[in-house]
Amino acid sequence: NAGVTQTPKFRILKIGQSMTLQCAQDMNHNYMYWYRQDPGMGLKLIYYSVGAGITDKGEVPNGYNVSRSTTEDFPLRLELAAPSQTSVYFCASSYMSGQGAGYTFGSGTRLTVV
Amino acid sequence: AQSVTQPDIHITVSEGASLELRCNYSYGATPYLFWYVQSPGQGLQLLLKYFSGDTLVQGIKGFEAEFKRSQSSFNLRKPSVHWSDAAEYFCAVGANTGNQFYFGTGTSLTVIP
Repeated sequence: NAGVTQTPKFRILKIGQSMTLQCAQDMNHNYMYWYRQDPGMGLKLIYYSVGAGITDKGEVPNGYNVSRSTTEDFPLRLELAAPSQTSVYFCASSYMSGQGAGYTFGSGTRLTVV
Repeated sequence: AQSVTQPDIHITVSEGASLELRCNYSYGATPYLFWYVQSPGQGLQLLLKYFSGDTLVQGIKGFEAEFKRSQSSFNLRKPSVHWSDAAEYFCAVGANTGNQFYFGTGTSLTVIP
């Protein structure tokens, strides 16, 4: 059982480049989330989705975009990378609204923008 | 507004000693409370959760936490720490609207032999 799979694990981007962080889950969870983790700051919600075709902004959505065309996949897009987006990104999923279930997390993508 | 405070940035304990990690929250209603553990280079793993009922909840790996409404706290405890418990621990509170958790800034645990 793979759970939540994130790719790539590491990436270095130059300022202004774009990239997509991939997230896939095989648990048939409706709810999926993207968080970023900065040192000493905890986790901040970027975007979330309550099902295929439905997405919404979280606490820190600026500079990011998402799509949810299938239940399994929830990619995160960075269009014009900035140094402020250097962070560790975590994708998570849950079978019901997060406050009722808790999350299953992926192992993260460490992104550096130079 | 909801918030979570973990007052201890870093804690060091000896293997076999007891452990208590503090978590205080700010929330207007009965919160949903969680503790997660993050090993180096890994994602977060759910240790335990509290929704209602018995205020002492048991989790995985021998951890427990106690919800104290009067103190707005949800402290994590373990009677005897193992070297493999060295990790980062996060407390989180679930909002009753929307789909957002609020995470604390984490407590890093070091276990010495």
